[in-house]
Amino acid sequence: DAKTTQPPSMDCAEGRAANLPCNHSTISGNEYVYWYRQIHSQGPQYIIHGLKNNETNEMASLIITEDRKSSTLILPHATLRDTAVYYCIVRVNFGNEKLTFGTGTRLTIIP
Amino acid sequence: NAGVTQTPKFRVLKTGQSMTLLCAQDMNHEYMYWYRQDPGMGLRLIHYSVGEGTTAKGEVPDGYNVSRLKKQNFLLGLESAAPSQTSVYFCASSLPTTGFQETQYFGPGTRLLVL
Repeated sequence: DAKTTQPPSMDCAEGRAANLPCNHSTISGNEYVYWYRQIHSQGPQYIIHGLKNNETNEMASLIITEDRKSSTLILPHATLRDTAVYYCIVRVNFGNEKLTFGTGTRLTIIP
Repeated sequence: NAGVTQTPKFRVLKTGQSMTLLCAQDMNHEYMYWYRQDPGMGLRLIHYSVGEGTTAKGEVPDGYNVSRLKKQNFLLGLESAAPSQTSVYFCASSLPTTGFQETQYFGPGTRLLVL
């Protein structure tokens, strides 16, 4: 699986949009971009994933650049409960299905 | 529907003792995983299983054994605990589908302290 690079930490004001970047310059054509988050002391939680088109669900939006070398996770109206570590993962969707977690971005929502 | 549950939530062991961590899921998922998470690090895969009766090694399998005798359960064993195995252990499960979509569901974690 390709490796990812994320900033170690970010702050965002409550109610504003949180934009979390991820670089994955060596991503292969059959690798998807996944985002998970981990709220303190809990198990990771799936957020969203995509291949090359932008995706949106009830939690977030995922914007993938045309060359697929980077992506941005957008939390449109951040709340205090969005304070967590966010992991960007790239992986193929077949084979042994395992996820490779890096160190992620620690997002802190400021009241 | 409880999702993924883990037993126990917290345990203290002495070096050399053995124990088994239990993971159970009620979602009829085929795949199950054991991860460990250490301070300042992301999750690392220990072992995983793609179906009942099958297991495979992940990134950091040494010192651990696993068994998947029933589809809903995935056991992680430490035969002789070492202080380096002090960590938070997470279990996860997933239902592989066609169309290249796969989401892993995680349990709440087990905190293990080895003295």
